[in-house]
Amino acid sequence: DVKVTQSSRYLVKRTGEKVFLECVQDMDHENMFWYRQDPGLGLRLIYFSYDVKMKEKGDIPEGYSVSREKKERFSLILESASTNQTSMYLCASSLLGTSGINEQFFGPGTRLTVL
Amino acid sequence: AQSVTQLDSQVPVFEEAPVELRCNYSSSVSVYLFWYVQYPNQGLQLLLKYLSGSTLVKGINGFEAEFNKSQTSFHLRKPSVHISDTAEYFCAVSNTGTASKLTFGTGTRLQVTL
Repeated sequence: DVKVTQSSRYLVKRTGEKVFLECVQDMDHENMFWYRQDPGLGLRLIYFSYDVKMKEKGDIPEGYSVSREKKERFSLILESASTNQTSMYLCASSLLGTSGINEQFFGPGTRLTVL
Repeated sequence: AQSVTQLDSQVPVFEEAPVELRCNYSSSVSVYLFWYVQYPNQGLQLLLKYLSGSTLVKGINGFEAEFNKSQTSFHLRKPSVHISDTAEYFCAVSNTGTASKLTFGTGTRLQVTL
C-alpha cells in the first residue's frame, strides 16, 4: 500500500515563527501536492511538484514556499506564520502516468494552530 | 478554469436509507471526476473515479456515481447507508495536461443516525 506520512498530526506555533511541514511518500511517485483544508472551503491547492527541484504554484501560494530536494520528500514552509494560516494541511502524492491522471494518495494531515 | 459545486454542506440520513450527494462541475474541456471520502481525523481516500467509458461508476463500500455530461453532474449514491458511512465527502475534477491537479468541491458532511 502507498503510504504518505506527515511529520506531525498537531502543531502549535507563534505568529512570526518559521514553520516546516514535512511529507514523505514511499511509492516513488513523481507528483506531490500540498493542500490546506478549511471548513466550508474544501481543499485548496497551495503548491505542487512533478519532479525533484520542480515546483508550481497552486491556487493559494501566498505566504508559503516549498522544497523538494528528494523525490520522496516534499516540504511546506511558512516563512513567517500568521494567525490566518491556522488550518489543516494535507499532503498528497500520485504517479505521473501516461494519461496524466492518477489517483492522489493523502497523508493524515497536520492541524496547525498559529497563536 | 474548472470548478466544482457541492450544494449540500450537510446531509442527515437514517441508517439503511438511500442517499444521494450532489456534485456539479464546470469546465470548458473534457474532465475526469472523482469522489473522495474523509473519515474523522484521517486523510482523504478515493471512493471512485470516472475517466471514460461507462457513465455509471462503482466504487468501494457500495457507493456508485453517474456521470451526466449534459447536466454536468456526477452525483454519488448509495442504496442503504450504515453508521460507518458518516464522513465528509469531496467531489473533485481534473483534466489532462495539468499533472493530475485536482479541483475540489467544498465537501458534504454525511451524518448517518439510527
